[in-house]
Amino acid sequence: KQEVTQIPAALSVPEGENLVLNCSFTDSAIYNLQWFRQDPGKGLTSLLLIQSSQREQTSGRLNASLDKSSGRSTLYIAASQPGDSATYLCAALWAGNNRKLIWGLGTSLAVNP
Amino acid sequence: GAGVSQSPSNKVTEKGKDVELRCDPISGHTALYWYRQSLGQGLEFLIYFQGNSAPDKSGLPSDRFSAERTGGSVSTLTIQRTQQEDSAVYLCASSRTSGGADTQYFGPGTRLTVL
Repeated sequence: KQEVTQIPAALSVPEGENLVLNCSFTDSAIYNLQWFRQDPGKGLTSLLLIQSSQREQTSGRLNASLDKSSGRSTLYIAASQPGDSATYLCAALWAGNNRKLIWGLGTSLAVNP
Repeated sequence: GAGVSQSPSNKVTEKGKDVELRCDPISGHTALYWYRQSLGQGLEFLIYFQGNSAPDKSGLPSDRFSAERTGGSVSTLTIQRTQQEDSAVYLCASSRTSGGADTQYFGPGTRLTVL
């Protein structure tokens, strides 16, 4: 069964800290993996998309890595800011799943001033 | 250009009533997706459209749920005879193609509450 798991479920850090969010997935035959951000009462915002042939993607202070062999992806946030507070979701797409993303439950991040 | 929009933003209905949820995708996006996010649960795929056709309806929870898309643009998700377990946030997303390599852009969602 194809599943996505995120740990921790919640994280609270002081402003300025570098942090890592973890995402693990079953079945290494992944097509791509995406990281999203969800703010309360709002929709999801795509942060980074990593194709199966890629090892990492970077956007500003965000860096996402993909290790298919171990079934893991990490989202690294450098120099965290209070505005980074949100829920971060990862979602995986497997070939043959007919475009159906499988989602983790998310990590709720609070960055304290 | 404008992002994905959804209406209404909130809907409160009584058990047994029918509801219609609307999604306006980004102009030119051929693929459109519906998801459901229930409290304490992950996002649940419902259905996706490539153009006006829906190759995969397997995620629809029951035959009370249906969706259509007209003109390759606007989509409507209809829930008949609503039940309390239908209460959730319904999210719509669109992408340029359905090839899987394109980012999905999400709307703000419709929060449905069934009393």
